[in-house]
Amino acid sequence: NAGVTQTPKFQVLKTGQSMTLQCAQDMNHEYMSWYRQDPGMGLRLIHYSVGAGITDQGEVPNGYNVSRSTTEDFPLRLLSAAPSQTSVYFCASSPPGVNEQYFGPGTRLTVT
Amino acid sequence: AQKITQTQPGMFVQEKEAVTLDCTYDTSDQSYGLFWYKQPSSGEMIFLIYQGSYDEQNATEGRYSLNFQKARKSANLVISASQLGDSAMYFCAMREGLAAGNKLTFGGGTRVLVKP
Repeated sequence: NAGVTQTPKFQVLKTGQSMTLQCAQDMNHEYMSWYRQDPGMGLRLIHYSVGAGITDQGEVPNGYNVSRSTTEDFPLRLLSAAPSQTSVYFCASSPPGVNEQYFGPGTRLTVT
Repeated sequence: AQKITQTQPGMFVQEKEAVTLDCTYDTSDQSYGLFWYKQPSSGEMIFLIYQGSYDEQNATEGRYSLNFQKARKSANLVISASQLGDSAMYFCAMREGLAAGNKLTFGGGTRVLVKP
């Protein structure tokens, strides 16, 4: 199993550009989430999903869209990048009833 | 009010000694779970230990134990016999409710540096 994979590892965007951060897992986990981690801080939940076709907002959803058309994939779209979205983005997954979340390696995004 | 508070921004600990990392939480749910994660300088998030609100015994995982004091709303992590590889950021997190999926709220973290 590859676990949770995220692409790209690094990305630089200009203000106003859009892009999609990819997240995939091959463990057939129903639950998936996106978090952002700003320098020196803890993770904050952006969006989450409890299964294909079901998504909901977390603590900091503004400026981001998600969709979950398959169990495996949970892409995060930045609609119009802003410098305030400079952060490290983590995707995580887990099956129901299991307490451990499996985190991807993260995507470091810089918006100039 | 902050849901998860970690009051120690940074700590030094001598190798082979024990260290306690503080975590207090705020929730009105009866069902919740508390987590500790380790984040080394390489950046990955490593799950350490979990405590459910209904668990009567404190959770333990190897050198990690969770000192759960429900009335005080605290869930401190104890690392025994510290090793140099324990140097990292440590995050406390909470999941509220039974059907919360992957909705975790994280604290601001504590940086631990183990001295030889």
